[in-house]
Amino acid sequence: KNEVEQSPQNLTAQEGEFITINCSYSVGISALHWLQQHPGGGIVSLFMLSSGKKKHGRLIATINIQEKHSSLHITASHPRDSAVYICAVRYNTGNQFYFGTGTSLTVIP
Amino acid sequence: EPEVTQTPSHQVTQMGQEVILRCVPISNHLYFYWYRQILGQKVEFLVSFYNNEISEKSEIFDDQFSVERPDGSNFTLKIRSTKLEDSAMYFCASALAVYNEQFFGPGTRLTVL
Repeated sequence: KNEVEQSPQNLTAQEGEFITINCSYSVGISALHWLQQHPGGGIVSLFMLSSGKKKHGRLIATINIQEKHSSLHITASHPRDSAVYICAVRYNTGNQFYFGTGTSLTVIP
Repeated sequence: EPEVTQTPSHQVTQMGQEVILRCVPISNHLYFYWYRQILGQKVEFLVSFYNNEISEKSEIFDDQFSVERPDGSNFTLKIRSTKLEDSAMYFCASALAVYNEQFFGPGTRLTVL
């Protein structure tokens, strides 16, 4: 029930590239959280969404409830985007979040 | 901008000792959470807390763990008798409401020797 799959596990991109990170889950959810974890360990919330699409600066998050899938896009990637991006979901049956293993992104100048 | 703070940033303790990890959530938030992340592994939910009581806890949160909001601002996680496998980064988070975005603290790295 509580499997959250992310792909790819690791991603290396050239500065300026458009990046997509994927998250899929197995059963109905009430919310999905995209988080960024910096090399020092700190976690920053990027988006929380339950439907549709959200945009903040160069980041875009989309979710398809029927397909149980979400994507995080980064446009015009920059070396400072290098971090681990984590997807977490809250299932309809409870309030706790279940986390994916993260996607480690490295953007090369 | 308001933020969640945690102290200490790093705690080293001997196996069997009690530790208390402290968090100051964002002041108008009502929901509080503890998570842990063992090195190289994914983040795991420990417990959620609302209205001065635990609202949900995971299997990890056994009798060795307890949480408290002693004074209306701090939110603490106590581990009574630490084990080697308790070594991890512990994150506190808070949210205005249960369906709102959670804001995370910088974490406390706990090392049990």
